[in-house]
Amino acid sequence: ETGVTQTPRHLVMGMTNKKSLKCEQHLGHNAMYWYKQSAKKPLELMFVYNFKEQTENNSVPSRFSPECPNSSHLFLHLHTLQPEDSALYLCASSLQINTEAFFGQGTRLTVV
Amino acid sequence: GQQLNQSPQSMFIQEGEDVSMNCTSSSIFNTWLWYKQDPGEGPVLLIALYKAGELTSNGRLTAQFGITRKDSFLNISASIPSDVGIYFCATDYGQNFVFGPGTRLSVLP
Repeated sequence: ETGVTQTPRHLVMGMTNKKSLKCEQHLGHNAMYWYKQSAKKPLELMFVYNFKEQTENNSVPSRFSPECPNSSHLFLHLHTLQPEDSALYLCASSLQINTEAFFGQGTRLTVV
Repeated sequence: GQQLNQSPQSMFIQEGEDVSMNCTSSSIFNTWLWYKQDPGEGPVLLIALYKAGELTSNGRLTAQFGITRKDSFLNISASIPSDVGIYFCATDYGQNFVFGPGTRLSVLP
């Protein structure tokens, strides 16, 4: 248990569906992140939020839309995804930008 | 973007053996982190290093921040079955961390 909770743990969705991934941390951290982990590829940073403000978007397609309503919660809204978007989506938080990150357990997403 | 290399990519060892792995880069960094990821789970932070030459232990794990600041090493002593997983190194790059591709460890009974 790292203090970062992600829901759901598993998600199967069709290409026309809209779904959201949720991440919650009660560590008092100010920075939150979304990472994508595909098979046999390094962790890919998708989005960074610092004090609720998005500071980085690593050329992520617009079918992925993040939302950070407060420092404890982070969402990733998904719509019209492609099969190649199937992956493990990991949320992480850190006390501040550039300090060690603590990860959630991830959401295993399958797009059919 | 910055690339980290991890060696070996995978390894199979007998229970009880010691393990060594490393992470290298062509650039200098100020922080090295080592994470372990169990199948179907998120990475868990094992050890954080902040100073060149620093040697830090966490139980049977020992990690070192290379003197050149371009590499780091992780050793596991007397491996046990629960050591199975993928070990990632990470380092600070700009405002964020970049991760290596991982070393996959398998422990044979």
